[in-house]
Amino acid sequence: ELKVEQNPLFLSMQEGKNYTIYCNYSTTSDRLYWYRQDPGKSLESLFVLLSNGAVKQEGRLMASLDTKARLSTLHITAAVHDLSATYFCAVVPIMDSNYQLIWGAGTKLIIKP
Amino acid sequence: GAGVSQSPRYKVTKRGQDVTLRCDPISSHATLYWYQQALGQGPEFLTYFNYEAQPDKSGLPSDRFSAERPEGSISTLTIQRTEQRDSAMYRCASSLKRKETQYFGPGTRLLVL
Repeated sequence: ELKVEQNPLFLSMQEGKNYTIYCNYSTTSDRLYWYRQDPGKSLESLFVLLSNGAVKQEGRLMASLDTKARLSTLHITAAVHDLSATYFCAVVPIMDSNYQLIWGAGTKLIIKP
Repeated sequence: GAGVSQSPRYKVTKRGQDVTLRCDPISSHATLYWYQQALGQGPEFLTYFNYEAQPDKSGLPSDRFSAERPEGSISTLTIQRTEQRDSAMYRCASSLKRKETQYFGPGTRLLVL
């Protein structure tokens, strides 16, 4: 069974701190996505990671991919309140010609002032 | 259009009624996806279209669910004889082509009483 597991599922942290969200997946994949969802809003694409060792950064968020370990991380540096949201990772199994995304359950991030 | 739109945004219906949800993708996008998202979970794939073709229906929960995209642009998702377990957020996404990033609409929240 294809699985995408995120941890933690819930994270409450103080502004200014650093933290990392982990995304493990059970199948070989050649691309991994990170999305953000604000309460009551749609899903917004943050990053797509296409190769082993890929690293992408946007502001205080940095995502990386280790395809051998089947692991992606989303690192938050010096968190600010505006980053409070639910973060999802999703992978495309390499053998899936339909490029169907398999999603994690999401990590709800609350950043307190 | 500029983004993916969906209508209605909210739908309350009685068990046994049929409902039709609409998705208007980004105008240049060939590929359109339908997802079901339960509260606190990641989206689950229902079906997708490549232009008007529907190569994968594997995620549709039962034969009560059907989707169309007759002219390769707007799509509808129809649920016949709705049941309470169909209550969820239904999300549509589109991408330029199959391997590209998916852009999501605001979703339709369906409540079956």
